[in-house]
Amino acid sequence: GAVVSQHPSRVICKSGTSVKIECRSLDFQATTMFWYRQFPKQSLMLMATSNEGSKATYEQGVEKDKFLINHASLTLSTLTVTSAHPEDSSFYICSAIGGGTNYGYTFGSGTRLTVV
Amino acid sequence: GENVEQHPSTLSVQEGDSAVIKCTYSDSASNYFPWYKQELGKRPQLIIDIRSNVGEKKDQRIAVTLNKTAKHFSLHITETQPEDSAVYFCAALSGAGSYQLTFGKGTKLSVIP
Repeated sequence: GAVVSQHPSRVICKSGTSVKIECRSLDFQATTMFWYRQFPKQSLMLMATSNEGSKATYEQGVEKDKFLINHASLTLSTLTVTSAHPEDSSFYICSAIGGGTNYGYTFGSGTRLTVV
Repeated sequence: GENVEQHPSTLSVQEGDSAVIKCTYSDSASNYFPWYKQELGKRPQLIIDIRSNVGEKKDQRIAVTLNKTAKHFSLHITETQPEDSAVYFCAALSGAGSYQLTFGKGTKLSVIP
C-alpha cells in the first residue's frame, strides 16, 4: 500500500533555531499534502494544505512566516518551523493523497518536536 | 467550513462488551467519513471508512453506520479486546474538492480485562 515517510521522528532544538521536517511519498505521487499539529491529548489540527508547485494554503491562525511549507516535487513536502519557541513543541504529522479520486489518506509517522 | 463533533470523549468498557462512538458533521457536501485509531505517539491508522452512498459497512468486529439526513455517523466495535484500547478519531472529508479532512476531538477507549 501507499507509504509516507516522515523524518525526523524526534527532534529537540534550542529556542530560536529552525527545524525542518520532511515528508515523502514513497510509492505514489502526492499531488496534495497536509500538515497537522497535535498537542497532547488533543485532536489533529490542520495547519496547511500544500499542492505541488504552488504556495501552501494556511489555516486561520497559523503563521505562514513561522511555518514554512515547500512542496517542490510530487513526492516531497517540507515543513520548517522557524525561530522555534517552547510553545511550538508538539507532534507534527503530514498526510498525503494521490491524484484523481483517491480518498486514501496516508499519514506519515509523525515528528515529536521539543523546543528547550 | 466543516465542523465535526465526537462523543463521548472517554469510554470504558469491559472486555467482550461493545463500544459505540458517535460523530456529527455540519457540511452536507461531505462525502467520505473515515475512522482512525491512534496509539500514543504513533500515527493515526485507518480502521474503517464509509462513503456517502452507503449506509453501513462492516469489517469483522468493526462497523460504521452513516445517516446522511441527520448528518451523523457511528463506529461500533463488538467483542472488545484490551488491544482495542486507544484513541479513536472520526473525520469528514470536506466537499467541493478540497480533500481536507476535519477531525473530531477523539475518544479515548479503555477496554478493561
